[in-house]
Amino acid sequence: EPEVTQTPSHQVTQMGQEVILRCVPISNHLYFYWYRQILGQKVEFLVSFYNNEISEKSEIFDDQFSVERPDGSNFTLKIRSTKLEDSAMYFCASSSDGYTEAFFGQGTRLTVV
Amino acid sequence: GIQVEQSPPDLILQEGANSTLRCNFSDSVNNLQWFHQNPWGQLINLFYIPSGTKQNGRLSATTVATERYSLLYISSSQTTDSGVYFCAVLYNQGGKLIFGQGTELSVKP
Repeated sequence: EPEVTQTPSHQVTQMGQEVILRCVPISNHLYFYWYRQILGQKVEFLVSFYNNEISEKSEIFDDQFSVERPDGSNFTLKIRSTKLEDSAMYFCASSSDGYTEAFFGQGTRLTVV
Repeated sequence: GIQVEQSPPDLILQEGANSTLRCNFSDSVNNLQWFHQNPWGQLINLFYIPSGTKQNGRLSATTVATERYSLLYISSSQTTDSGVYFCAVLYNQGGKLIFGQGTELSVKP
């Protein structure tokens, strides 16, 4: 069964460092998303990406964040200068048409120290 | 924006018991999904159910879109059912899924 895969599963980084979280969406999907979940809280939308551009972003997705689809399979989230409050589980998701079922990866747990 | 409320926030069951989790939403939606977040943090798709009823083993879900709610039924609960159950709604194509706060279920042996 096709699935969304994320790497790494865990990442520990020092405050101020740049991190790149990687995702391989399901191959025939066209819509891609990043969400995050601070420990003990609900899952929050960060950004959606379609046709090689951002289609929507939340207030959380400020200038420190960027997304890229560098090739036909990968979808990345970059945080330029990490803060303690960026510590969270980050989920990548994809959808075939942006309307029906979205599928989530297993998450990357980011810890900023 | 659209509000998604789940109840109850916490639920403790004995193994073998049945339960009903509820998700209310404040506006018409195009998509509703139920997820189970396991102890390792993974979000597992349970149901894609914008309307109607679906069943998968011991789990079933019903969405009444006109009344803006969805129910998740868990029958004969097992300890492996423990975790947090989220519902999430989408109301425009290509847009974000909006998650509820979740119901934390604990099934005791």
